[in-house]
Amino acid sequence: QKEVEQDPGPLSVPEGAIVSLNCTYSNSAFQYFMWYRQYSRKGPELLMYTYSSGNKEDGRFTAQVDKSSKYISLFIRDSQPSDSATYLCAMSVGSNYQLIWGAGTKLIIKP
Amino acid sequence: DAGITQSPRHKVTETGTPVTLRCHQTENHRYMYWYRQDPGHGLRLIHYSYGVKDTDKGEVSDGYSVSRSKTEDFLLTLESATSSQTSVYFCAITGTTNSPLHFGNGTRLTVT
Repeated sequence: QKEVEQDPGPLSVPEGAIVSLNCTYSNSAFQYFMWYRQYSRKGPELLMYTYSSGNKEDGRFTAQVDKSSKYISLFIRDSQPSDSATYLCAMSVGSNYQLIWGAGTKLIIKP
Repeated sequence: DAGITQSPRHKVTETGTPVTLRCHQTENHRYMYWYRQDPGHGLRLIHYSYGVKDTDKGEVSDGYSVSRSKTEDFLLTLESATSSQTSVYFCAITGTTNSPLHFGNGTRLTVT
């Protein structure tokens, strides 16, 4: 079993829909949780960074951490075709040397 | 791209040849990382550096070596390339050990 599980998709939704992307994990010691977006042929770019549990909102994006269920989510409101990308979750106990990555979910927003 | 340049962007090489990939940063960040990305796998750490001449192994370091002689440059060398090293290689940088990584746009390496 992988330490971090992420459905590879693809997840295809119509423009304007609310998107929910999720990762589950097995290590209860994880404290730092991140979501990255990766466009084709580009490097990952940071979307959301959360320490410990709770919610964080940034524009159309909301990140949730549920440590009791070992589950993190990224919600995208009013999805746009430009949101079509692969979304990667990552988490660590402390330092970046220990960062564990999900394999990514491919998201397609249909106009 | 947070001032990160990877070169070359694409490379095709033959099995058994040495290959060096370069990561150059203009952010003066202390920490630099080399990852590989393969379908079905998350990003996997190859090596990282916590300062000039200070490096350590990551999860998948076999067959790879690194060097950092200047703050701005981090080199990844495949001593004798194998087909299993066909991958996309990403360099990342951070200023501290637990701040988010900033990535370059990758080098696509094909070993034939």
